[in-house]
Amino acid sequence: QVQLVQSGSELKKPGASVKVSCKASGYTFSTYGMNWVRQAPGQGLEWMGWINTNTGNPTYAQGFTGRFVFSLDTSVSTAYLQISSLKAEDTAVYYCARVSGADAFDIWGQGTMVTVSS
Amino acid sequence: QSALTQPASVSGSPGQSITISCTGTSSDVGGYNYVSWYQQHPGKAPKLMIYEVSNRPSGVSNRFSGSKSGNTASLTISGLQAEDEADYYCSSYTGSSTLYVFGTGTKVTVL
Repeated sequence: QVQLVQSGSELKKPGASVKVSCKASGYTFSTYGMNWVRQAPGQGLEWMGWINTNTGNPTYAQGFTGRFVFSLDTSVSTAYLQISSLKAEDTAVYYCARVSGADAFDIWGQGTMVTVSS
Repeated sequence: QSALTQPASVSGSPGQSITISCTGTSSDVGGYNYVSWYQQHPGKAPKLMIYEVSNRPSGVSNRFSGSKSGNTASLTISGLQAEDEADYYCSSYTGSSTLYVFGTGTKVTVL
């Protein structure tokens, strides 16, 4: 079946980096764009940006430039989110989500909890 | 791009109907028919419930319906059931550099 499976929870110290993976299966990876969505504890959903899985071109939302990098490994149908120079306020659940032709997020990963704490 | 405005909470008794509003601007909700709605249970990933304002994905109950008027979209849940208790988020395409914006979220409580 169509699914996105993300890597497991991470506990990092401030200043470190983290790389979250999102492996797609059940569909042609390059057909749909991949988005990243952040949800801080007790807060709402925030669109971080997306990566064109056909060209590899990323687009970042305001507030997610500089320390955030989207990348792909199309050979294993996997998208990645890397966050560098981690801060406590980066503590959140990060979701990958496929965007459909109707500009809706139709398939979501299970989420990856990233905790930044000294 | 500011978040779309939703009521913080909405409640109803089993069997009743409730409506959640999602207010944006002419640059997002009012400008495109790409409004979608998501249901999120605690500790779970969001689930697509409505796309393109009023379309239901396969497998979503017909108790869920969507509409739009001007800059405000709405999600109606009819025949409210205990399993509908969750957080609900709207989202809209914006056409700007921030392609998509989510709503502030609404907690639905079944009394």
